[in-house]
Amino acid sequence: DGGITQSPKYLFRKEGQNVTLSCEQNLNHDAMYWYRQDPGQGLRLIYYSQIVNDFQKGDIAEGYSVSREKKESFPLTVTSAQKNPTAFYLCASSLTGQSLNTEAFFGQGTRLTVV
Amino acid sequence: SQKIEQNSEALNIQEGKTATLTCNYTNYSPAYLQWYRQDPGRGPVFLLLIRENEKEKRKERLKVTFDTTLKQSLFHITASQPADSATYLCALNSGYALNFGKGTSLLVTP
Repeated sequence: DGGITQSPKYLFRKEGQNVTLSCEQNLNHDAMYWYRQDPGQGLRLIYYSQIVNDFQKGDIAEGYSVSREKKESFPLTVTSAQKNPTAFYLCASSLTGQSLNTEAFFGQGTRLTVV
Repeated sequence: SQKIEQNSEALNIQEGKTATLTCNYTNYSPAYLQWYRQDPGRGPVFLLLIRENEKEKRKERLKVTFDTTLKQSLFHITASQPADSATYLCALNSGYALNFGKGTSLLVTP
């Protein structure tokens, strides 16, 4: 089955800890994205990558880091510098990042809670 | 700054009626606009894409219009069903990624 997989679905983190959210796609898409969604808020862009070994900050990148060493993988690390990390995190991919005339495919999301 | 505005109030309609959702935008010159559906606790799912030179697009019970002069898109669900209850998101490209509105929650009651 082709698709985009996020894991875990639920994640609990103690304050001061870093945590990494996994995102894998087997759609052969060049572009991948991380969004954050808070209650009553829209999706806000954290980081995006238009091609392997390259990524750029989105609108709310502070306290987050990413890597794109493989085309199919785009993990997101939530660092202790992120002041309010409790949120629903969504990973997405699209065929190409340069021309966004294509749909985005989303994973099922990871709900991160700081305890 | 760029803005995408969707009605924040939930839309409640009766089964069988037509639901109409609105998306307004400012400071975009979009070549196309997309609509997504999101169910609670799940990722958004793509529904329709409409290009700037297309005034209207249909897919089964869904219809989208796109008026670049008014900077507005309307999303219609005809013969609505309880299974259509979800949050519907409008999205525009910022040149490197999709920007989303906050979404409108639709509740279809039997």
